[in-house]
Parts: sequence; structure tokens; C-alpha cells
Amino acid sequence: EPEVTQTPSHQVTQMGQEVILRCVPISNHLYFYWYRQILGQKVEFLVSFYNNEISEKSEIFDDQFSVERPDGSNFTLKIRSTKLEDSAMYFCASSEIGAPGAQHFGDGTRLSIL
Amino acid sequence: DAKTTQPTSMDCAEGRAANLPCNHSTISGNEYVYWYRQIHSQGPQYIIHGLKNNETNEMASLIITEDRKSSTLILPHATLRDTAVYYCIVRVENGGSQGNLIFGKGTKLSVKP
Repeated sequence: EPEVTQTPSHQVTQMGQEVILRCVPISNHLYFYWYRQILGQKVEFLVSFYNNEISEKSEIFDDQFSVERPDGSNFTLKIRSTKLEDSAMYFCASSEIGAPGAQHFGDGTRLSIL
Repeated sequence: DAKTTQPTSMDCAEGRAANLPCNHSTISGNEYVYWYRQIHSQGPQYIIHGLKNNETNEMASLIITEDRKSSTLILPHATLRDTAVYYCIVRVENGGSQGNLIFGKGTKLSVKP
């Protein structure tokens, strides 16, 4: 069964550094998403992306965050200047055009900011 | 905030049916009910969704009350691998909405041998 893959599985970064989290969505999916989950807390929506542009974003997704689909397969989340509070699991998800609510999630990247 | 209410935790014996309830008394006519689960250390996994009719797939059944104010996810023969946090989410589905899922705290289901 096709799946969403995320790399790296764990990223350790110094505060203030830039970090890029990478995702390969399922190949025929057209909607892409990033969520995050701080340890012990709820899964929180960050951003959705369709047709090469952001379609929705949450209050969390401020100017420090950006997303990009640099080629036909990858979908990236960039955090420009990381803060301690950015430490979390970051999940990428994708869905088909006919079923946007049935989202397929990757297993996440654990981001640790020191 | 999530528009659903779920019990914090439930236990189920292995091999028995697990029935997970969800209240969504303020659901609108165009909102679907979605169920996801999150096994420890993994990403959320889509299970099933429905509008008003009962639905069944290879993973589970979804029973929605006639007034749509509550629903029940049924895992017919729970296994130890079904131990997870189960999330009930209501979501508008229309041509212009590709947006987010709002996760609550869910129900932690523990399947015991």
C-alpha cells in the first residue's frame, strides 16, 4: 500500500538555526498538509497546500514557517529561525482530490531544538 | 476547538468488539464524522468517515444516530494492535475545502489479553 514518507525521522538543531523537514506524499494525491504534535499534547494543524499554493494555515504557521513543493514528489516545511518551543513531532499528510478529509499521514519527524 | 466529546479512556478484551462513542451535538448538516487513530509513536491513521448512513470498511464500522448528534466506532474483533488513541472529528466537506483536521484529545483504547 502506498504511504507518505518523511525524512529525517529525528532532527536535532541549535536554536536559531534553519531546519527543513522533508516529505514524499502519495504519488496521486493533490492535497498536502503539515501538522505538529508537541509531546503529550494534541495534534495541531499547521498548513494545507494545493495547486502550488497555501490553501489554509493556522495561527501557529507564522512568518518563520514556509512550505514548498520543489519538484513533483517532495513537499517541504522550512522553519527559518528555530525556537525551543518548535520542538515537536511534525507530521506530513496527503489526500486525494475526491476525499480531502481522508488524509494519509507519515510517521513524522521528531524535531529537537537545543 | 474540537466539536466532539469522547471518553478519555476505555478498556476492551482481546477478541471482543470495541465500541467507541462520540458526541457531536452541534454538528451541522454538511459536516461529516471522521475517525482516526494514533498508535504510539506513529502518525494518525484514517479509519472511516460518514455523513448520515452507517458505514463499514475492512477496519471498522461507523454507526451514526438518526439525529446525527452522536456516533459509535465499532472494531468488531479487537486485537492488541488496536491499542491506540482514537479521534472523532467533524469536518465540513465541500468542493472548496481542502483544509485541516481539528484533533481533540481522543479516547485511549487499551486492548487487554
